Amino acid sequence: EVQLVESGGGLVQPGRSLRLSCAASGFTFDHYAMHWVRQAPGKGLEWVSGISWNSGSIDYADSVKGRFTISRDNAKNSLYLQMSSLRAEDTALYYCAKDTLRDWGQGTLVTVSS
Amino acid sequence: DIQMTQSPSSLSASVGDRVTITCQASQDISTYLNWYQQKPGKAPKLLIYDASNLETGVPSRFSGSGSGTDFTFTINSLQPEDFATYYCQQYGNLPYTFGQGTKLEIK
Repeated sequence: EVQLVESGGGLVQPGRSLRLSCAASGFTFDHYAMHWVRQAPGKGLEWVSGISWNSGSIDYADSVKGRFTISRDNAKNSLYLQMSSLRAEDTALYYCAKDTLRDWGQGTLVTVSS
Repeated sequence: DIQMTQSPSSLSASVGDRVTITCQASQDISTYLNWYQQKPGKAPKLLIYDASNLETGVPSRFSGSGSGTDFTFTINSLQPEDFATYYCQQYGNLPYTFGQGTKLEIK
């Protein structure tokens, strides 16, 4: 069974940084692309970033380009999202998701507020 | 970026009804389309992948169809547990994009 467990969320001041992690199990992690998707309170779903199986291809939403960095450690079956220069509009539940987004974690909440 | 236009944004229906949601892509995505159900406080749950394939364990009252730019999602004989928000999502091209969502409410 695929399991994706996010961590690292919390309350952070505008302009500061935060690093999210996603621990994967139940599948061969280094065979699949991975993604981050977010959902602001009461809003719809927004794809944030994706990374290929070997980190050779990385893409970002325009809304986070230049501020967020996605990475992965295949030896640790883990996905990361380094978020910097955080803004109030980055407040959301952040999910990691596998491949074509068929499997999702339960999310970690990031709140950007002073 | 591929825009996904989902309609309606909300829908009221009764138990036993048949409901249909549509999703239109701004360019051809073949059948690279997922449909999700989301309940409050929960992660989205995949119901349909590749536009028309039912995910394992999902009841057969859920179905999807379409290809290219026009897609349809149908729930036959609504059950009480089906009242939720539904999203379409394309994975034909990055960035992956979602429809705005359809909130299905009890009439």
